[in-house]
Amino acid sequence: QVQLQESGPGLVKPSQTLSLTCTVSGGSISSGGHYWSWIRQHPGKALEWIAYIYYSGGTYYSPSLKSRVTISVDTSINQFSLKLSSVTAADTAVYYCARGAAAAYYFDSWGQGTLVTVSS
Amino acid sequence: QSALTQPASVSGSPGQSITISCTGTSSDVGAYNYVSWYQQHPGKAPKLMIYAVSNRPSGVSSRFSGSKSDNTASLTISGLQAEDEADYYCNSYTSRDIHVVFGGGTKLTVL
Repeated sequence: QVQLQESGPGLVKPSQTLSLTCTVSGGSISSGGHYWSWIRQHPGKALEWIAYIYYSGGTYYSPSLKSRVTISVDTSINQFSLKLSSVTAADTAVYYCARGAAAAYYFDSWGQGTLVTVSS
Repeated sequence: QSALTQPASVSGSPGQSITISCTGTSSDVGAYNYVSWYQQHPGKAPKLMIYAVSNRPSGVSSRFSGSKSDNTASLTISGLQAEDEADYYCNSYTSRDIHVVFGGGTKLTVL
């Protein structure tokens, strides 16, 4: 059973860059058939898709965040990462990494989530 | 404002059945059989309950079922149990450049 675990700072200052890493265990990012995604949830709000990446490097971004987001993958260490630049308080949220099924666009495995607070 | 519309809340008594709707457009729910449903308990990560409109992952109770008609997908939970109380989110692929859209979520209360 694949497992995902987010890691990164829980506090980021306004205007700085939020950086998170998702470590995948129990399966290989390179195995194909899946895409690797970041999803966030503002406190008390709905889920919001941010981006996903295929192991081959193909990327897709939410249009509303595209100008500030970079997603990358390192297959050698079975990790993928998120960078969100120029953060504001509006980026305070729980950030989840998740595995998506490429054939049917659903998310079948999720990390536990990590709360990132943007504050000075 | 979420791309897919769900009722903010639904409720039911133990043993009853409830249905949660998820209304989209001809660019998402109506166009593709790529609707999925997630259950989220407070402070926990979402859990996949239904994928590709009506398929249950291994380990998910048969009390959970999904369907779709035109631009509206539905999640039905039969034989409600206390542990079903949670937030539920629908999700769909979309041909618009956003690719992935979620519903606003529905809070299920088991009375």
